[in-house]
Amino acid sequence: AQRVTQPEKLLSVFKGAPVELKCNYSYSGSPELFWYVQYSRQRLQLLLRHISRESIKGFTADLNKGETSFHLKKPFAQEEDSAMYYCALRSGAGNMLTFGGGTRLMVKP
Amino acid sequence: ETGVTQTPRHLVMGMTNKKSLKCEQHLGHNAMYWYKQSAKKPLELMFVYNFKEQTENNSVPSRFSPECPNSSHLFLHLHTLQPEDSALYLCASSQAGTGSATNEKLFFGSGTQLSVL
Repeated sequence: AQRVTQPEKLLSVFKGAPVELKCNYSYSGSPELFWYVQYSRQRLQLLLRHISRESIKGFTADLNKGETSFHLKKPFAQEEDSAMYYCALRSGAGNMLTFGGGTRLMVKP
Repeated sequence: ETGVTQTPRHLVMGMTNKKSLKCEQHLGHNAMYWYKQSAKKPLELMFVYNFKEQTENNSVPSRFSPECPNSSHLFLHLHTLQPEDSALYLCASSQAGTGSATNEKLFFGSGTQLSVL
């Protein structure tokens, strides 16, 4: 069975500091990984997906199959990055996502 | 309103009540989902509907009964719930592909915060 683990429930950094939100997954097949974000009083929304290899709002994430990780990184955190971040895995055919427990990022001024 | 709309936003019910959660999407999507978000657990997928047909039931107790009358509407009927069912229930939709995995993006509603007394 697939599983997504986000080991940190809370990550607190100062503005301008680098950020890395960790995500590890367990899946025997070829995974598709996503990061979703929920800002205060807003809906959960897609931030980025590994297939697109994109940078959104300065965030990037690289799929490391050897380490089964998909960590989310940003070189210089901004206060508006404060939010809940969820890593998600889609396994196989279809459109079912397995989510991690989420990490709350707090960026202090 | 565009996007995914859920009503009610908040619901308090007793264990013997029967209530329904409603979800409506205005995005032209063909797949809809129910997720449960508890305070101490990750988001859990409950049900998936593709083209109005239920394709997944993630071992959800029968006291939760989904209904998808058309591709724009999704209901979750609740009866004889337990206090541990108190959670945020999120609806989502996507444009599902066919065949092998595609990269559908999920659009979420704001959720219904359910409290079972």
